[in-house]
Amino acid sequence: EPEVTQTPSHQVTQMGQEVILRCVPISNHLYFYWYRQILGQKVEFLVSFYNNEISEKSEIFDDQFSVERPDGSNFTLKIRSTKLEDSAMYFCASKMRGDQPQHFGDGTRLSIL
Amino acid sequence: RKEVEQDPGPFNVPEGATVAFNCTYSNSASQSFFWYRQDCRKEPKLLMSVYSSGNEDGRFTAQLNRASQYISLLIRDSKLSDSATYLCVVPPSGYSTLTFGKGTMLLVSP
Repeated sequence: EPEVTQTPSHQVTQMGQEVILRCVPISNHLYFYWYRQILGQKVEFLVSFYNNEISEKSEIFDDQFSVERPDGSNFTLKIRSTKLEDSAMYFCASKMRGDQPQHFGDGTRLSIL
Repeated sequence: RKEVEQDPGPFNVPEGATVAFNCTYSNSASQSFFWYRQDCRKEPKLLMSVYSSGNEDGRFTAQLNRASQYISLLIRDSKLSDSATYLCVVPPSGYSTLTFGKGTMLLVSP
């Protein structure tokens, strides 16, 4: 069964550094998402991406965050200047069309020191 | 009223038991409904999609009651491996993002 894949599985970064989290969505999917989950809390929506542009974003997704789909397969989340509170699991998800469920990657654990 | 409400649990049940979770939602225009399960420190995994009155997959049955605006998940013959947090997700009509609550924790014991 096709999967959403994310790399790296764990990223440790110094505060203030830039970090790029990578995702390869399922190949025929058209909608892409990033979520995060701080330890012990619920999964929170960050941003959705469709037709090469951001379609929705949450309050968490401020100017420090950006997303890109640089080629036909990768979908990246960049955090420009990381803060301690950015430490979380970051999940990428994709789906084929509007009423279909989203499928999640197994996440990148981001630890900011 | 919150968009989606679930009993946080935990539900402690012995192996072999039948357990049911309820989820109420506020947006009457929602057309699609999903149950995900999430193991500790893992990604949410799709368990079941519901677009009409219900869905069944092996030991798992989801039922939708549009009039009362709730969706249930029934697990029969619980296994130890069913221990997880179960997340009811009801996207508002016209929106594609998912809003997650904290879900319902299930602990199945030997």
